[in-house]
Amino acid sequence: KNEVEQSPQNLTAQEGEFITINCSYSVGISALHWLQQHPGGGIVSLFMLSSGKKKHGRLIATINIQEKHSSLHITASHPRDSAVYICAVRPYSGGGADGLTFGKGTHLIIQP
Amino acid sequence: EAQVTQNPRYLITVTGKKLTVTCSQNMNHEYMSWYRQDPGLGLRQIYYSMNVEVTDKGDVPEGYKVSRKEKRNFPLILESPSPNQTSLYFCASSLWPLREQYFGPGTRLTVT
Repeated sequence: KNEVEQSPQNLTAQEGEFITINCSYSVGISALHWLQQHPGGGIVSLFMLSSGKKKHGRLIATINIQEKHSSLHITASHPRDSAVYICAVRPYSGGGADGLTFGKGTHLIIQP
Repeated sequence: EAQVTQNPRYLITVTGKKLTVTCSQNMNHEYMSWYRQDPGLGLRQIYYSMNVEVTDKGDVPEGYKVSRKEKRNFPLILESPSPNQTSLYFCASSLWPLREQYFGPGTRLTVT
């Protein structure tokens, strides 16, 4: 059974700090997604990656396929980054069509 | 504007009264899916669809039905809702399974 573990579960930091959220999974995957969910519930896709590293603004996502691990980094954090960050993986099935398995999320609060 | 829409956004109903939550996307996406989100359990996939007339079970399909008669629509049907189906439901779509997911705004369902 595929397991997706995120750490930490909760994180409070000061504005400007460098933030790292980790995601580990237990099976071979086709892709890994990082999602952001703001209070009020809407979910936005931040990254989808299957190897290496991606950057978008102050957000950086990395993945190590051999170690089955991914990290999401936020540089120069801001109170508007406060949200729940969710890791999701799609197990490798050859056709790439298997469903997503989600981590339970990391609740991030950035204080001014 | 590219979007995934869900209706209704909020619904309170009684046990056993059949209901349908609609999902529609205007991006000509092949892949659509339904998730439920519960405190402490995170997001879990209910059903997904690779294309018209092609649907498959996710992790928690019991008590739900879906259909995909047109590419743009993927309704979620609860034939006989029960209180344990009280949850926040999200529909999502993507061009292919291994592409970025676009989420609808969510439907908060309460079954009494």
